[in-house]
Amino acid sequence: QSVLTQPPSASGTPGQRVTISCSGSSSNIGSNYVYWYQQFPGTAPKLLIYRNNQRPSGVPDRFSGSKSGTSASLAISGLRSEDEADYYCAAWDDSLSGPNYVFGTGTKVTVL
Amino acid sequence: QVQLVQSGAEVKKPGASVKVSCKASGYTFTSYDINWVRQATGQGLEWMGWMNPKSDNTGYTQKFQGRVTMTWSTSIDTAYMELSSLRSEDTAVYYCARDGRTNGMDVWGQGTTVTVSS
Repeated sequence: QSVLTQPPSASGTPGQRVTISCSGSSSNIGSNYVYWYQQFPGTAPKLLIYRNNQRPSGVPDRFSGSKSGTSASLAISGLRSEDEADYYCAAWDDSLSGPNYVFGTGTKVTVL
Repeated sequence: QVQLVQSGAEVKKPGASVKVSCKASGYTFTSYDINWVRQATGQGLEWMGWMNPKSDNTGYTQKFQGRVTMTWSTSIDTAYMELSSLRSEDTAVYYCARDGRTNGMDVWGQGTTVTVSS
């Protein structure tokens, strides 16, 4: 069961800005870095954002991440048809049973 | 180039075990953790655990404690994930992913489909 909550869907027209939220708690987002992954149907996830707001080489600067308290957000500016995919936030969670990596519930982005 | 190549699809009966391999190339195998993540059809990503081939450490999420074992061979730069006492709910695609700790899971295997059916 995911401990990071995301909206199930988000949409926008080409060129628009879309924002995806990720809500957690003090044991995960509140005290650790947030990561974002992009996944197309039938393929492995791809790292999109690490350490809250850093982009790996090759990821367009249209993608940006932010974090505040126990929540985080992924913004896609200048939305393009090829951005239509599932997006997952993630973070380490400092649980009593030891550190666990937790993923968000996932958000399907549709380009209208 | 840096890549992780996983073993092929498996079909298992309930109660059996499955062992998935993940061969690393293009980087120093002992310099990164390997995480295992699974995804049931139409569902989200679920983290199973991690292993560090340099420190000999592993960590499993509580849900899989006692059923999962993560091992590796540094001589052939390959990680393994074995899941026992399989049930239908274990039917999923299993991924291995390289993890540079705070740098995130930056390289993923192609996924291995495990189907549990009588």
